[in-house]
Amino acid sequence: EVQLMESGGGLAQPGGSLRLSCAASGFIVSSFSLTWVRQAPGKGLESVSLVNSGSTYYADSVKGRFTISRDSSKNTLFLEMNNLRPDDTALYFCARLRGGSDWFLDVWGRGTLVTVSS
Amino acid sequence: SSQLTQDPAVSVALGQTVRITCQGDSFRRYYGSWYQQKPGQAPLLVIYGKDNRPSGIPDRFSGSGSGDTASLTITGAQAEDEADYYCNSRDISGNHLIFGGGTKLTVL
Repeated sequence: EVQLMESGGGLAQPGGSLRLSCAASGFIVSSFSLTWVRQAPGKGLESVSLVNSGSTYYADSVKGRFTISRDSSKNTLFLEMNNLRPDDTALYFCARLRGGSDWFLDVWGRGTLVTVSS
Repeated sequence: SSQLTQDPAVSVALGQTVRITCQGDSFRRYYGSWYQQKPGQAPLLVIYGKDNRPSGIPDRFSGSGSGDTASLTITGAQAEDEADYYCNSRDISGNHLIFGGGTKLTVL
């Protein structure tokens, strides 16, 4: 069965760091494009970072602070988050991206909650 | 950067048909996708591409598009369809993903 499972969320102080992990099963992470999508409490979805055929994308709100990477040996996607701010508080999902020209997200994890507060 | 615009809330009587729309320039270049999200759950892909349903999605869900607008239609809405629905597309630059703000569907 194809699955994604996030971990690594928790409480961080403003200016602090967290590293999110997204373990994949049923497929090889290095063979697919993947993305991190976050959802602030009571708000909508926002794609914060994407890795696609070696290229990476970051939303303006996280550029310079977040780094996306993947480890083939662990079949895992990561999101390194530094200099965290209160508005980074959200449920963070990882998702698999499909489609040649028209992208869509066919597999989602359940999310890991990040809370940034002093 | 481009953006996608959805109505915040829509309601439909049980068994009737409802259309949820999403407007954005990226739809002139790319097909969008639609996700259903129920409270406490991850989003679930319901429509992708021109009008494709993943395995397990009921055929009462369908997609369409015209110009800068993509639409999700539920024909014969059921109580279990009550949820938030998000549209999604590749940004017009082609480099990243964008989401609409979401539509809360109430089934009366």
